[in-house]
Amino acid sequence: GAVVSQHPSRVICKSGTSVKIECRSLDFQATTMFWYRQFPKKSLMLMATSNEGSKATYEQGVEKDKFLINHASLTLSTLTVTSAHPEDSSFYICSATTDGRSYNEQFFGPGTRLTVL
Amino acid sequence: DAKTTQPPSMDCAEGRAANLPCNHSTISGNEYVYWYRQIHSQGPQYIIHGLKNNETNEMASLIITEDRKSSTLILPHATLRDTAVYYCIVENYQLIWGAGTKLIIKP
Repeated sequence: GAVVSQHPSRVICKSGTSVKIECRSLDFQATTMFWYRQFPKKSLMLMATSNEGSKATYEQGVEKDKFLINHASLTLSTLTVTSAHPEDSSFYICSATTDGRSYNEQFFGPGTRLTVL
Repeated sequence: DAKTTQPPSMDCAEGRAANLPCNHSTISGNEYVYWYRQIHSQGPQYIIHGLKNNETNEMASLIITEDRKSSTLILPHATLRDTAVYYCIVENYQLIWGAGTKLIIKP
């Protein structure tokens, strides 16, 4: 149980385009979802936290107009990278937690590798 | 900043116990110790967490010192598939990721 999927697993896009990444909890209701970014050989950096039906809380330094997060249901959150540029190329990972579990006992998706040309 | 200190890398022979240390000398009373691992190019995987008592599950054991300033993650019978970066995290609100320990299991 507690499986999180992401789609797509890999995406290449041109500079200036927008890219949407989906994160789904397959067998549980994700009351809270998290979005992380990871640069090569670096650790994960939390970008934002979202609760179903409410606006995401962004970490300092993360542009909310650039990284649009929607958590419309208890099983789906989306991250849209708007007007992507090469410096946005990274590994984007989502995670989810659910009621009854520790807030930090998060289940992670497999990640999405974004390459912006 | 991460509140933990871990060795950057460790080797372990396949079939032996892998003991991964973590120092968290500034841990406060309500902060848990979490362990995650990340296999190359995959999302992290939750392993175990604890507050004061030692914990064990199907993946690993977590030994926390009495003063809670350090802990050890034990993989009892390491396999090649346990090669990964292991992160020790101390937080009660959100996960702050340090550099972790790159554990290499050797045949």
